[in-house]
Amino acid sequence: AQTVTQSQPEMSVQEAETVTLSCTYDTSESNYYLFWYKQPPSRQMILVIRQEAYKQQNATENRFSVNFQKAAKSFSLKISDSQLGDTAMYFCAFLTQGGSEKLVFGKGTKLTVNP
Amino acid sequence: ETGVTQSPTHLIKTRGQQVTLRCSSQSGHNTVSWYQQALGQGPQFIFQYYREEENGRGNFPPRFSGLQFPNYSSELNVNALELDDSALYLCASSLETRLAGFSYEQYFGPGTRLTVT
Repeated sequence: AQTVTQSQPEMSVQEAETVTLSCTYDTSESNYYLFWYKQPPSRQMILVIRQEAYKQQNATENRFSVNFQKAAKSFSLKISDSQLGDTAMYFCAFLTQGGSEKLVFGKGTKLTVNP
Repeated sequence: ETGVTQSPTHLIKTRGQQVTLRCSSQSGHNTVSWYQQALGQGPQFIFQYYREEENGRGNFPPRFSGLQFPNYSSELNVNALELDDSALYLCASSLETRLAGFSYEQYFGPGTRLTVT
């Protein structure tokens, strides 16, 4: 069974600084997809960034980038130039395939950006 | 805005009652997945519907059931409510990927907060 582990329950960062959120996962699949989702207090789950496991190049979306280490099964999220609006819960998720495609989520990291 | 809506926003029920939660998928999306998010936890997969049929189920008892309709709306029904059913229920819509083309992004609704007393 696939599992996703986020070892940092809470983190804080000063506005304009950089922060890295950690995520490790376990799977026997060779081709899969990884995601970071953001869930602000409004509860809406918003996709931040995705990574296809067959791609060696790390995904980047504006201030958000990942460090994908397939052999180590690690998928960390780096947020540069942190903004107050980045304050939210961040969930790492793995997309299973075969049959139904379901997301397996970690427990989340609560990020607070301080002014 | 993801184009996915859910109703109601909040709901309070008594143990043993039955509840129906509703989701309206993004237009054109033929797959809907339901997740349960307990307080302080990540969402857990309940089940998925594709073209009105169940297409996979997580580790949830049969008292959790669903329906998907041709107009892209769907329902999650929970019978014999238990205190542990108190959670945020999220639906997510997507395009089926088993056919030509692949779309793996699931678009989430804002959720329904269910409290069982």
